Amino acid sequence: QQQVKQSPQSLIVQKGGISIINCAYENTAFDYFPWYQQFPGKGPALLIAIRPDVSEKKEGRFTISFNKSAKQFSLHIMDSQPGDSATYFCAASIGGTRGNKLVFGAGTILRVKS
Amino acid sequence: KAGVTQTPRYLIKTRGQQVTLSCSPISGHRSVSWYQQTPGQGLQFLFEYFSETQRNKGNFPGRFSGRQFSNSRSEMNVSTLELGDSALYLCASSGGTGGSEQYFGPGTRLTVT
Repeated sequence: QQQVKQSPQSLIVQKGGISIINCAYENTAFDYFPWYQQFPGKGPALLIAIRPDVSEKKEGRFTISFNKSAKQFSLHIMDSQPGDSATYFCAASIGGTRGNKLVFGAGTILRVKS
Repeated sequence: KAGVTQTPRYLIKTRGQQVTLSCSPISGHRSVSWYQQTPGQGLQFLFEYFSETQRNKGNFPGRFSGRQFSNSRSEMNVSTLELGDSALYLCASSGGTGGSEQYFGPGTRLTVT
């Protein structure tokens, strides 16, 4: 019940295209869903996050779509650029007094071809 | 604001030894969480400290321990190192309330030989 399943494992997109990464969860107590971007040799960087009271959140070229009934959420990267080539992780946590334990997906290696 | 800092950045230890890693959170942040990242297991939660108290704990053996100081700086300790402990150890800092944004440091790369 604590798992977050992420797909695909790897993704190749042409420059200017749309990159889409999907995640699914089981635990309906999760109420915070962030996405992280990680470059080799660096720690994960928070990209964008969503809570279940909204179905979509957009920040620049990055959009999270959230489907509460299906227990799924996805990251869309519009106009993908070679500089977006990195590993992306979805995550989920239960907030409030339960603290900040993040459960991560397995990661998606994105390569944007120029 | 300065980001999360972790020291040392790289460590090489021998099986059976112990190691202490340090994390300084973003100024004003009271929650520090530790994660282990390996190619096989991905990112796994170790524990979280808030106001010097352990608030959450992951499924790791007792060889992994941590503490937090009054200035919110945190240390984690691994005793009796095993080869499988080789990993990137990441520290994340948060404002404190549950389910809030966590910001990661660059990590400490631990190699056990």
